[in-house]
Amino acid sequence: GNSVTQMEGPVTLSEEAFLTINCTYTATGYPSLFWYVQYPGEGLQLLLKATKADDKGSNKGFEATYRKETTSFHLEKGSVQVSDSAVYFCALRGVSGAGSYQLTFGKGTKLSVIP
Amino acid sequence: EPEVTQTPSHQVTQMGQEVILRCVPISNHLYFYWYRQILGQKVEFLVSFYNNEISEKSEIFDDQFSVERPDGSNFTLKIRSTKLEDSAMYFCASSEEASGSLWNEQFFGPGTRLTVL
Repeated sequence: GNSVTQMEGPVTLSEEAFLTINCTYTATGYPSLFWYVQYPGEGLQLLLKATKADDKGSNKGFEATYRKETTSFHLEKGSVQVSDSAVYFCALRGVSGAGSYQLTFGKGTKLSVIP
Repeated sequence: EPEVTQTPSHQVTQMGQEVILRCVPISNHLYFYWYRQILGQKVEFLVSFYNNEISEKSEIFDDQFSVERPDGSNFTLKIRSTKLEDSAMYFCASSEEASGSLWNEQFFGPGTRLTVL
């Protein structure tokens, strides 16, 4: 079945530091890949997505590239801010067949950015 | 901007009691989902619902769980006899699922925190 393995947290960074959160996946075919963010006390919000190999998703300074050869979708940001403090979830969605609509999530990585 | 809403935000119940969690999906969406997140753990898929029937469900979604779309706007998750291990944050989501799309964003509600005592 589908699975997502995500870098364990928590991660603590100083403001303006570079962020990388690793994410690898196991799936058949060509799943769609997502990063969701959960701010304290709130629900999940889609941060960015990629639907095919070599696609780069980007939003709010965050980027992730769909790497089919390494089955990875690492999240990066060049300069984090205190407001980026949240839990980040990598997720995938299969293309067809059983499980084609459900999202499969990683365990989440808690990011804390200190001034 | 349209959003998914959920009520209540927090529900406390006694073990063995029935609970109904309510969701109002985005109005033009066709697919509806329930996920749960036990404290400190990953978000897990429970069930998806389309055209008034379940389209997929996980192993977690056993006979104690049921879903319903009682009218044109609400989508509910019922747990018949709650157990301590049902304590979690329950998220409702909806998506448009236009045909031919490779993907459709699932929009999540803010969640209902269920505490079973």
